[in-house]
Amino acid sequence: KAGVTQTPRYLIKTRGQQVTLSCSPISGHRSVSWYQQTPGQGLQFLFEYFSETQRNKGNFPGRFSGRQFSNSRSEMNVSTLELGDSALYLCASSLLGGQMNTEAFFGQGTRLTVV
Amino acid sequence: AQRVTQPEKLLSVFKGAPVELKCNYSYSGSPELFWYVQYSRQRLQLLLRHISRESIKGFTADLNKGETSFHLKKPFAQEEDSAMYYCAEGGSEKLVFGKGTKLTVNP
Repeated sequence: KAGVTQTPRYLIKTRGQQVTLSCSPISGHRSVSWYQQTPGQGLQFLFEYFSETQRNKGNFPGRFSGRQFSNSRSEMNVSTLELGDSALYLCASSLLGGQMNTEAFFGQGTRLTVV
Repeated sequence: AQRVTQPEKLLSVFKGAPVELKCNYSYSGSPELFWYVQYSRQRLQLLLRHISRESIKGFTADLNKGETSFHLKKPFAQEEDSAMYYCAEGGSEKLVFGKGTKLTVNP
């Protein structure tokens, strides 16, 4: 079956702009989580969506938001971009996520560069 | 707060040598622990989880609740084991990762 697909793979934006990243989970998976990966901080949890509801949220400012559609596809949005938002953004899908914590499958990520 | 600590950013061993990647967690409930691996130019993937008690690619990890550790071990490292390794804890509805250890296995 197809894996987790993230689009676009690469993005270059300028400070102050906003950006929307997309994630298509594995068919049948209802949980989608987003992570920010940087060399200094590693993988930091942004938020998790399950059945179109945000179930968990990490410690990121309100400029970071997301949503999930009825087909489980998810988008995350970052508004008023800052240089420090440059990172690899990873999406992970799992069957149930949450406390059930079935295996998480990761996409290849979207590399965002803010200039 | 839920925390996962991987004390070594870099670890270098020779082929055939034993390797141990350290991981400590701070979750006070019943922990759900995982090791994920990211090979060069590949996506992050699950290596093993403590609940299954499997050995994958020769790697094992034992949960030690007394020491709150979940160290990853392999008796004889191979060059293809060179990768980034992340320990993760998922007992409280979200998966929290350590900062990772880059393992290099030299020929």
